[in-house]
Amino acid sequence: AQSVAQPEDQVNVAEGNPLTVKCTYSVSGNPYLFWYVQYPNRGLQFLLKYITGDNLVKGSYGFEAEFNKSQTSFHLKKPSALVSDSALYFCAVRDSNRDDKIIFGKGTRLHILP
Amino acid sequence: SAVISQKPSRDICQRGTSLTIQCQVDSQVTMMFWYRQQPGQSLTLIATANQGSEATYESGFVIDKFPISRPNLTFSTLTVSNMSPEDSSIYLCSVDRTSGSYNEQFFGPGTRLTVL
Repeated sequence: AQSVAQPEDQVNVAEGNPLTVKCTYSVSGNPYLFWYVQYPNRGLQFLLKYITGDNLVKGSYGFEAEFNKSQTSFHLKKPSALVSDSALYFCAVRDSNRDDKIIFGKGTRLHILP
Repeated sequence: SAVISQKPSRDICQRGTSLTIQCQVDSQVTMMFWYRQQPGQSLTLIATANQGSEATYESGFVIDKFPISRPNLTFSTLTVSNMSPEDSSIYLCSVDRTSGSYNEQFFGPGTRLTVL
């Protein structure tokens, strides 16, 4: 079955520093990968997706993600973190074996320290 | 994008009672999805609801506990029946929307349920 793994429960970054939230995937066939963000007391918001094409995908709020096939990774990045980026981030994959249902990672809580 | 609203946004309920959560989408969609997010956990798909047919439930979820209605292409309800404290979660409605040649998935704001 398709799956994604987020190895870090929490990531702490000082404001202004670059941030990385890690995600690795396991899929058969072409991976359809996503990042979502959940701010406190709000629903999930779509950040970006990779389907095909350029390995560097740009998304909302200045975030980007790099698809690395050899390392089966799809890490989320931002060059300069803001305190307002503090939230819960989910990596996800479409499971082609389950009618393309989305499977979520466990989530990584990002804390940006002022 | 899709605009999705859910009612109620939050509720506190007594053990043994039932709560029905409503999901309204701003345009017609074929499939609607219901997810559960338990405290500190990721999202777990409960069921997929197609208009005009019975919902398809994921492993570990049953219709008697989580009955779903899908009366039209813009609306669905999820009922959490005979609640226990273990049902305390955020319940999210979601839809697929075609973007180019691919479907994107959009989520409602969620319903935060606390069962005492």
